[in-house]
Amino acid sequence: LAKTTQPISMDSYEGQEVNITCSHNNIATNDYITWYQQFPSQGPRFIIQGYKTKVTNEVASLFIPADRKSSTLSLPRVSLSDTAVYYCLVGSYLRGRQLTFGSGTQLTVLP
Amino acid sequence: DAGVTQSPTHLIKTRGQQVTLRCSPKSGHDTVSWYQQALGQGPQFIFQYYEEEERQRGNFPDRFSGHQFPNYSSELNVNALLLGDSALYLCASRTRQGPQETQYFGPGTRLLVL
Repeated sequence: LAKTTQPISMDSYEGQEVNITCSHNNIATNDYITWYQQFPSQGPRFIIQGYKTKVTNEVASLFIPADRKSSTLSLPRVSLSDTAVYYCLVGSYLRGRQLTFGSGTQLTVLP
Repeated sequence: DAGVTQSPTHLIKTRGQQVTLRCSPKSGHDTVSWYQQALGQGPQFIFQYYEEEERQRGNFPDRFSGHQFPNYSSELNVNALLLGDSALYLCASRTRQGPQETQYFGPGTRLLVL
């Protein structure tokens, strides 16, 4: 399974753009990159998923360079309610593989 | 459309007891996975059920067992509870239509073992 490395924590201020980078040097050809958000005592919430280049939805963008050895989750204009743990997962369900959670990045948005 | 639901929301047990947690998957989903999340840690995969059988298992002892019913709902059973079993137990569901279907999580059951 591809191992991921993320910063343990990040601080930001309301209204700023936040970029969280995840390293996954041994990503496999069939692996996708998925990001989840988790608030205390709640289940993780799917944010975005991509395979290559750039993916954008209503809450975030995901930038994946050509070599796919890293990815960056971009949250535009964060608010206090974006304070949460963000997990980067790399994997695929092919051949019964499971996605593995790391320790995540604690994002704290300050007023 | 209801998402993944879990019951109960909170549970307190004592060492040595047994516990059963329940999960109903999101509508249209047929695959259910269970995770254990200790305080300050990421979720750890316990096992996955599809077609009423355990298909994949993480590094958990056989005190942890499960079941999936014909309506795709699932139970997680933990026997001989230890203090270290105190955690948030998460259920997640997805379909098996593709290699990377999005997995949706329930709100979790908080288990405290005294």
